[in-house]
Amino acid sequence: AQSVTQLGSHVSVSEGALVLLRCNYSSSVPPYLFWYVQYPNQGLQLLLKYTSAATLVKGINGFEAEFKKSETSFHLTKPSAHMSDAAEYFCAVSGNSGTASKLTFGTGTRLQVTL
Amino acid sequence: NAGVMQNPRHLVRRRGQEARLRCSPMKGHSHVYWYRQLPEEGLKFMVYLQKENIIDESGMPKERFSAEFPKEGPSILRIQQVVRGDSAAYFCASSRGLPEGNEQFFGPGTRLTVL
Repeated sequence: AQSVTQLGSHVSVSEGALVLLRCNYSSSVPPYLFWYVQYPNQGLQLLLKYTSAATLVKGINGFEAEFKKSETSFHLTKPSAHMSDAAEYFCAVSGNSGTASKLTFGTGTRLQVTL
Repeated sequence: NAGVMQNPRHLVRRRGQEARLRCSPMKGHSHVYWYRQLPEEGLKFMVYLQKENIIDESGMPKERFSAEFPKEGPSILRIQQVVRGDSAAYFCASSRGLPEGNEQFFGPGTRLTVL
């Protein structure tokens, strides 16, 4: 069984400040981990993914995440927030075989960026 | 190179009617997933299909819901006798399948409103 916990349903940062969105996972198999972004009334866009290669993963739009097995975490960071980063962010986990390939999502974190 | 296509984008049905949602995966993708997003919630897995096969339907309600992915044509998610609680955004995702990292690409979604 797999699950994801995203701490903080709403996060507000100033433009130019560090963005930190937290994600902890639980998985009975070696996990694949993902961060997706969703803008209002749109589908999900993949930001980055971890699939057992490098533990520090770089994604699009300046985002990166670090897989920490000992902490079962996969937090998303960006050094400097931009107004265009305001959106909902979802962390997701899947297994690495067959029926485990379905994504299990967290409840999401809404990021607000203020001037 | 077209992405995942879903239609219709918006669908309005009265209670008791049928809703039929379509999903065309990305070119070269033979794995399709359906997810449902209720208002203010994350996405929940419904069903995983490959051509002519249902691989995992553990997230599908036991009644009124069915899905197919025929040899030719789009994947169809069918909801019979819709009720107000079916109002949600339904997202389709496609992938090449494991072991290529299970990267799933999402369509723009169908927003179902049941009156």
